[in-house]
Amino acid sequence: EPEVTQTPSHQVTQMGQEVILRCVPISNHLYFYWYRQILGQKVEFLVSFYNNEISEKSEIFDDQFSVERPDGSNFTLKIRSTKLEDSAMYFCASRGRGGTSPLHFGNGTRLTVT
Amino acid sequence: EDQVTQSPEALRLQEGESSSLNCSYTVSGLRGLFWYRQDPGKGPEFLFTLYSAGEEKEKERLKATLTKKESFLHITAPKPEDSATYLCAAHTGTASKLTFGTGTRLQVTL
Repeated sequence: EPEVTQTPSHQVTQMGQEVILRCVPISNHLYFYWYRQILGQKVEFLVSFYNNEISEKSEIFDDQFSVERPDGSNFTLKIRSTKLEDSAMYFCASRGRGGTSPLHFGNGTRLTVT
Repeated sequence: EDQVTQSPEALRLQEGESSSLNCSYTVSGLRGLFWYRQDPGKGPEFLFTLYSAGEEKEKERLKATLTKKESFLHITAPKPEDSATYLCAAHTGTASKLTFGTGTRLQVTL
C-alpha cells in the first residue's frame, strides 16, 4: 500500500538554526499538509498546500515557517530560526481527490531544539 | 473556535471486554468526522470517515457511529493488538483542515 515517507526520523538542532523537514507524499495525491504534535498534546494543523500554493495556514505557521514543493515528488517544511518551543513531532500528510477523502500521514520527524 | 473533545483520556480493558470511546465536537460546517489510530512514535493511521448523523462504519472489531454532536468508537471483544491511542478529528473548511481531539489511550490486557 502506498505511504507517505518522511525524513529524517529524528533531527536535533541548536536554537536559531534552520531546519528542513522532508516528505514524499503518496504519488497521485494533490493536497499536502503539515501538522505537529508537541509531546503529550493534540495533533495541530500547521498548513495546507494545493496547486503549488498555500491554501490555509494556522496561527502557528508564522514567518519563520515556509513550505515548498521543489519537484514532482517532495514536499518540505522549513523553519528559518528554530526556537525551543518548536520541539515537536512534525507530520506530513497527503490526500487525493474528493472533498473529504482521508488524510494519510507519515510517521513523522521528531525535531529536538536545544 | 472549533473544538473536539475525547473521553476518557485513558481506558484499560481486559481482552474480550467491550467498550466505547467518545468524541464530542463543536465546529462550524462539519464536512466529515475522522477516526485514526496512533501507535507510539508513529503517525496517525486512518480508520473511518463519517459524513452525516446516523451513519455507521465497521472494520473488524471496531464500529464508528455519528450523531449531530458526537461520535462513538465501539470496540467489541478487543485484543491486546488493539492497544493504541485513538484519535478523532473534525474536517472543516475547504482545505481539509482537521481539528484533532487529545485522543483516548487504550490498553487491552490478557
